[in-house]
Amino acid sequence: ELKVEQNPLFLSMQEGKNYTIYCNYSTTSDRLYWYRQDPGKSLESLFVLLSNGAVKQEGRLMASLDTKARLSTLHITAAVHDLSATYFCAVERKTSGSRLTFGEGTQLTVNP
Amino acid sequence: NAGVTQTPKFRVLKTGQSMTLLCAQDMNHEYMYWYRQDPGMGLRLIHYSVGEGTTAKGEVPDGYNVSRLKKQNFLLGLESAAPSQTSVYFCASTPGPALHSGNTIYFGEGSWLTVV
Repeated sequence: ELKVEQNPLFLSMQEGKNYTIYCNYSTTSDRLYWYRQDPGKSLESLFVLLSNGAVKQEGRLMASLDTKARLSTLHITAAVHDLSATYFCAVERKTSGSRLTFGEGTQLTVNP
Repeated sequence: NAGVTQTPKFRVLKTGQSMTLLCAQDMNHEYMYWYRQDPGMGLRLIHYSVGEGTTAKGEVPDGYNVSRLKKQNFLLGLESAAPSQTSVYFCASTPGPALHSGNTIYFGEGSWLTVV
C-alpha cells in the first residue's frame, strides 16, 4: 500500500525566511505533484515532477524529486504572506488508473 | 471551456437520505475520480473510472456508489447518508496515462456536504 507522508504538518514562519517541506512516499511512483489549497477552495496545481532529479521553480517556490530516496521537497525562498496556504504533495501510479495518493498536507502560515 | 464542474456545491442531508453528486467535464478526458477531504487531511480516493462504462473502488469506497454512463459525467451516489460522510467532495479528471506528457489532473471546485 502506498503511503505518503509530509512534514512538517504545521509551519509558522516569518516573512523573508526560507524553509523546506518534505514529502516521503513508500513505493515507486510515476509522477509527483505539489498542490496549494486556500481555505474553502479547490486545489491549485503548482508542480508536476516526472523523473529523478527533476527540479522546477516558480517564483519563490522550488520543487525537487529524488526517486531513489522516494523524497520530494518544496523549498520556499524569502517567504511572503501571500504564500500562506496548505500545501499537499500527491503521488501518482499509472498502474492504478493514475490515481493520486495524497500526503496529509502542510499548513503554512507566513507572519509579517 | 468550463473544465470540471460539480453540482451541487452545498447540500445538507438528514441521516438516511440519499443524494447524487454530479461531476461533468468538457475536456474529453478518459479518467475521472471522486475524492473526499476531511479536516486536517489530504484527499482520499473514493471511486474512479478509466473510461465510459467502467468504475473501480478507491481507498474509501464504503457507503458510496458511482456510475459513468457518459464519458463526460461521473456520478457519486450516497444511498443512505451517515454523519461520517460529512465532508468536502472533489471530482477530478485527466486525459489518461501518458508518461512523458506531464498531463495535468484537473480538479473541480468541491461540493460541501453535511449530514445531520
